[in-house]
Amino acid sequence: GQQVMQIPQYQHVQEGEDFTTYCNSSTTLSNIQWYKQRPGGHPVFLIQLVKSGEVKKQKRLTFQFGEAKKNSSLHITATQTTDVGTYFCAGLRSNSGYALNFGKGTSLLVTP
Amino acid sequence: GAVVSQHPSRVICKSGTSVKIECRSLDFQATTMFWYRQFPKQSLMLMATSNEGSKATYEQGVEKDKFLINHASLTLSTLTVTSAHPEDSSFYICSASPAGTVKKLFFGSGTQLSVL
Repeated sequence: GQQVMQIPQYQHVQEGEDFTTYCNSSTTLSNIQWYKQRPGGHPVFLIQLVKSGEVKKQKRLTFQFGEAKKNSSLHITATQTTDVGTYFCAGLRSNSGYALNFGKGTSLLVTP
Repeated sequence: GAVVSQHPSRVICKSGTSVKIECRSLDFQATTMFWYRQFPKQSLMLMATSNEGSKATYEQGVEKDKFLINHASLTLSTLTVTSAHPEDSSFYICSASPAGTVKKLFFGSGTQLSVL
């Protein structure tokens, strides 16, 4: 079945450094979504990418969807302590009503 | 954005008892809701898809008799963990998606279940 791989599992950066997490799927995705989960909290939707090669920006966050629609990345420029949390990518399951397969997530720790 | 309310946020129970978790969409109707399970520092694993007015669809390996799902209305789905055991201790979280072109999920705040 469809699997969504995400790397790295953990990332520890100094405040101001950049951060990137990568997501790869074993199959072509119709779309990919990104969520952020703060420690002790629940996942919060960040963005959805639909088109091949799509790039979207949200302030310091840049999201990319690969040309083959099998990979995606999230890049944070000049991290801040408020960026701390786990970032999950999720791909739509091909045989679902609308269920998502989540990657394992990348836990980001930002130290001042 | 849309709001999904989940209750209770935390529950501690004795082994062998049953626990009911409620998930409500507060400002939209949801014909489908999803129940996920998350172990500490791990990803969200889909347990089942809850369908309003019909039977839930369970993922492979999830015992339907143990995790009873009822979706009696367009705004409420419940998950009942029956005869809970310590290995059922986990973070359970529901999600739903309002009708629209961007099918993003809105998550409840989750329920931390601890079975003694």
